[in-house]
Amino acid sequence: AQSVTQLGSHVSVSEGALVLLRCNYSSSVPPYLFWYVQYPNQGLQLLLKYTTGATLVKGINGFEAEFKKSETSFHLTKPSAHMSDAAEYFCAVSAYTDKLIFGTGTRLQVFP
Amino acid sequence: DVKVTQSSRYLVKRTGEKVFLECVQDMDHENMFWYRQDPGLGLRLIYFSYDVKMKEKGDIPEGYSVSREKKERFSLILESASTNQTSMYLCASSLVRINSPLHFGNGTRLTVT
Repeated sequence: AQSVTQLGSHVSVSEGALVLLRCNYSSSVPPYLFWYVQYPNQGLQLLLKYTTGATLVKGINGFEAEFKKSETSFHLTKPSAHMSDAAEYFCAVSAYTDKLIFGTGTRLQVFP
Repeated sequence: DVKVTQSSRYLVKRTGEKVFLECVQDMDHENMFWYRQDPGLGLRLIYFSYDVKMKEKGDIPEGYSVSREKKERFSLILESASTNQTSMYLCASSLVRINSPLHFGNGTRLTVT
């Protein structure tokens, strides 16, 4: 069975600061990993995904994530936060199925 | 661009009512999903469907049923609404590929009083 743990339900950063959102997964087989973002009053949209190959994955809006098998982690980063990055972020895992298992989410606040 | 449309943005129903939440996608996706989203719990899968007239239970199917009579439409049914079904409901669709991303609608916020 697969599971996802997102550490920190709320993260606050200043504009221009590094964004780091943590995600650890559990999977009995090689996982597929995803980050989704949800802006207020909207559905989720895909930020980036890892399937196979390069472990550093670049996504939209300057975000990237690195798959670290030894640490079972897939943390999301952005070098410089922007006010428009304020949203809720969800990590998700799947393994050889179409079903995604989501984490509980991390709400990112960006202060001027 | 894929569009997933949920028929209602906000819905208020009374306990015991039968409730229908409708979802339509316009990209000929085989897979469709219903999730509910609650603070601190993330997204939990209620039901999903791989094809017309096919359905599979997700992690929390109790109190819900679904209908998929046409490929583009996936309905979630609350047979007898209860207050603990007050939540945000999200519909999603995807191609039938293992790592195919989900495309979400904007959600229906259901309040059961």
